[in-house]
Amino acid sequence: DAGVIQSPRHEVTEMGQEVTLRCKPISGHNSLFWYRQTMMRGLELLIYFNNNVPIDDSGMPEDRFSAKMPNASFSTLKIQPSEPRDSAVYFCASSFIATNTGELFFGEGSRLTVL
Amino acid sequence: AQSVAQPEDQVNVAEGNPLTVKCTYSVSGNPYLFWYVQYPNRGLQFLLKYITGDNLVKGSYGFEAEFNKSQTSFHLKKPSALVSDSALYFCAVRAGSYGGSQGNLIFGKGTKLSVKP
Repeated sequence: DAGVIQSPRHEVTEMGQEVTLRCKPISGHNSLFWYRQTMMRGLELLIYFNNNVPIDDSGMPEDRFSAKMPNASFSTLKIQPSEPRDSAVYFCASSFIATNTGELFFGEGSRLTVL
Repeated sequence: AQSVAQPEDQVNVAEGNPLTVKCTYSVSGNPYLFWYVQYPNRGLQFLLKYITGDNLVKGSYGFEAEFNKSQTSFHLKKPSALVSDSALYFCAVRAGSYGGSQGNLIFGKGTKLSVKP
């Protein structure tokens, strides 16, 4: 079975440009999570969705960040405009909330470098 | 609020020796605890979890973890370390109760395990 699929795996962009990261969760999962990993701050939850509805976006750093989940099989995380401090690895994870015992399944991550 | 702490930034072990990676937790209610491993340039992989039942939980790759309620700890262990176990290990706690809407995990800062031949 395919796991969580993220794209692009690597993105290098210049400050001020728009960045869109994409995620396809595991089929049948109904919760989706976006995490950011940096050396300084470790793993931080940005936002998560249950049944395509955003539940908690308190981790989104600022208005430059936005996330959508238009259907059960696709989500995007957008940064506009991007800044050098946004450089990080962004992970998407999914799970089945109703009966699972909590483990999340992670994608391979999107490494973003903003110059 | 739920939280976990990993007191060691790095653990160094010789191959063949037992290893322990420490984790302590702070939760309200019953804890749901997890260990994940991250290899370089890869995503996090689930190793094992404690929800209820036996305090000794067995997981992937020969790892196990011991839940200790009185010490609020959930240390990861392996009887005999391999060089291939070298990676970053994360302890995590579920933010909400079982089946609840808060299914996100709160992660510790990670512990780098280095196993030398």
